Amino acid sequence: SAVISQKPSRDICQRGTSLTIQCQVDSQVTMMFWYRQQPGQSLTLIATANQGSEATYESGFVIDKFPISRPNLTFSTLTVSNMSPEDSSIYLCSVQQGLSTDTQYFGPGTRLTVL
Amino acid sequence: QKEVEQDPGPLSVPEGAIVSLNCTYSNSAFQYFMWYRQYSRKGPELLMYTYSSGNKEDGRFTAQVDKSSKYISLFIRDSQPSDSATYLCAMSELNFGNEKLTFGTGTRLTIIP
Repeated sequence: SAVISQKPSRDICQRGTSLTIQCQVDSQVTMMFWYRQQPGQSLTLIATANQGSEATYESGFVIDKFPISRPNLTFSTLTVSNMSPEDSSIYLCSVQQGLSTDTQYFGPGTRLTVL
Repeated sequence: QKEVEQDPGPLSVPEGAIVSLNCTYSNSAFQYFMWYRQYSRKGPELLMYTYSSGNKEDGRFTAQVDKSSKYISLFIRDSQPSDSATYLCAMSELNFGNEKLTFGTGTRLTIIP
């Protein structure tokens, strides 16, 4: 299975600032995903990031708020822009190594608190 | 109505008991069903994976899918304190190459020694 690391593991930020979260995988993968996990709520897919193409955003998430980069097959970043306390959440990177969903693995997450 | 419903718990059971965790769903197009285990301050890890209806067993864990009732279950036999975690069900449609997972809210489980 893929080994995924995320930086930072946690952060406390001020309202109105931006934070970039990094996701590094130990092997090349085609599909990478960014999720949000808020207390008491389901893991929610923010966007799918495929190398060489624009990220695909889910309903309710927009590129201006959550810009994503995918410069190569082992790395991606998610930026949370112009943050508000409602953005306080755990952000998870996920990769899919094969064609089907049983090959999807998650990183340890980034715990973000916005004051 | 949420696409996937899962009782958030918390659920506390004594060590050695059989644990039953459940999810219901409304989307009849779901074909792949998964259970993830998430320890505190860790990312989810895939525990069980089933396709369509039926049972699947892996050691102390059994996953059941009843598509007619839109109901899935995870059973843990001989529960251990190390099983204490949040258990998330997840589902996806048959869509090769870009299979979006839809998750339940997770059930927090504590096994009491």
